[in-house]
Amino acid sequence: GAVVSQHPSRVICKSGTSVKIECRSLDFQATTMFWYRQFPKKSLMLMATSNEGSKATYEQGVEKDKFLINHASLTLSTLTVTSAHPEDSSFYICSASTLAGGPSSNEQFFGPGTRLTVL
Amino acid sequence: DQQVKQNSPSLSVQEGRISILNCDYTNSMFDYFLWYKKYPAEGPTFLISISSIKDKNEDGRFTVFLNKSAKHLSLHIVPSQPGDSAVYFCAATRGSGDTPLVFGKGTRLSVIA
Repeated sequence: GAVVSQHPSRVICKSGTSVKIECRSLDFQATTMFWYRQFPKKSLMLMATSNEGSKATYEQGVEKDKFLINHASLTLSTLTVTSAHPEDSSFYICSASTLAGGPSSNEQFFGPGTRLTVL
Repeated sequence: DQQVKQNSPSLSVQEGRISILNCDYTNSMFDYFLWYKKYPAEGPTFLISISSIKDKNEDGRFTVFLNKSAKHLSLHIVPSQPGDSAVYFCAATRGSGDTPLVFGKGTRLSVIA
């Protein structure tokens, strides 16, 4: 099946610094990538939808100036957490959908996630 | 307003028995449903899906049933194994793969040996 990778898998940073998380589709082209955040005891919450070559669409309540998303190519999307604070500590997960149409395109392939800890 | 609901936060089942995880949705525009399994500190792993044109899809030990009139789906795992212990997320979407998944809050399944 399609493989999505995320880098880094775990990052610890100081409060006030910026952290970049990469999401790559390794063996397919993804027109659309999604960024989710998982809160403890809660489901995955969609943060933004990223389309290659255009601006990301952010969900209500997500600060676009704080969570910068760039989708520079069909295989790479990045999420930059700017001026990180301890409350940004979380598990960030990306997913990608393929260019192929049909029912299988409804599947989203998830990355392994990135654990961010802000001290 | 939660569009996808998993009302049971946890479920314990004995090894070898059937596990039934339930999911309800409110948005009648959803036409594709998926179940994901998630271990701690890992991304979700796709398990099984079903299109709204079907009412059942089976893959090995996993079967998903869809009742469109009740806006309800369920995941059956038979027989349950200790390795099935994880959090299971129900997700729904509509249209093509360019629409995001809407997730339920998850059900933690514990399979007891």
